Amino acid sequence: QSALTQPRSVSGSPGQSVTISCTGTSSDVGGYNYVSWYQQRPGKAPKLIIYDVNKRPSGVPDRFSGSKSGNTASLTISGLQAEDEADYYCCSYAGSYTFVLFGGGTKLTVL
Amino acid sequence: QVQLVESGGGVVQPGGSLRLSCVASGFTFITCGMHWVRQAPGKGLEWVAFIQYDGIKQYFADSLKGRFTISRDNSKNTLYLQMNSLRVDDTAVYYCVKDLPDWNFDYWGQGTLVTVSS
Repeated sequence: QSALTQPRSVSGSPGQSVTISCTGTSSDVGGYNYVSWYQQRPGKAPKLIIYDVNKRPSGVPDRFSGSKSGNTASLTISGLQAEDEADYYCCSYAGSYTFVLFGGGTKLTVL
Repeated sequence: QVQLVESGGGVVQPGGSLRLSCVASGFTFITCGMHWVRQAPGKGLEWVAFIQYDGIKQYFADSLKGRFTISRDNSKNTLYLQMNSLRVDDTAVYYCVKDLPDWNFDYWGQGTLVTVSS
């Protein structure tokens, strides 16, 4: 199976909102509520920011939110801050053969 | 606090083998599933393998089956990845990752770099 599809880059100004999409199929994103999102700053390990489509781990600001419609999941970051500049990856469970798919990653630039 | 510390990376020739280790602390290792996830230089994330809390069930990315094995020693809080028949395209940072559960990755190690080159 192919990786999930994300835009290569998005940008926004401080205080604005941005949304990153993650498109899969009915065999992954659309078929399970096991979609997660990860933030990765340069030279660092990824950090979980959303799991099970729309849940936030403890310590993640509520500026980060997740949703899903059909085969497309979305990550919305509101009230953009300079520290949000990073790469963002979506991930989905994809059944008992493929198991896990990641998106190709989206580079967020805060202007 | 949760800590995952990988080791064992390095430079290996194509066709060679390497074993990665990951020592876990700060949580009850014996109750948690664990994963390996890799990232080639400048590229995205790729899931490699999963092992159930008791080591009984193991799953692998289809492209890696037969070359990589995953294991764990719960008495030592340690996860392993045995990599055989290594290829140039296996070059990546390999991360040890804790399962939340349900195929969500809640804690990541700092990663260990594996370079396959002649």
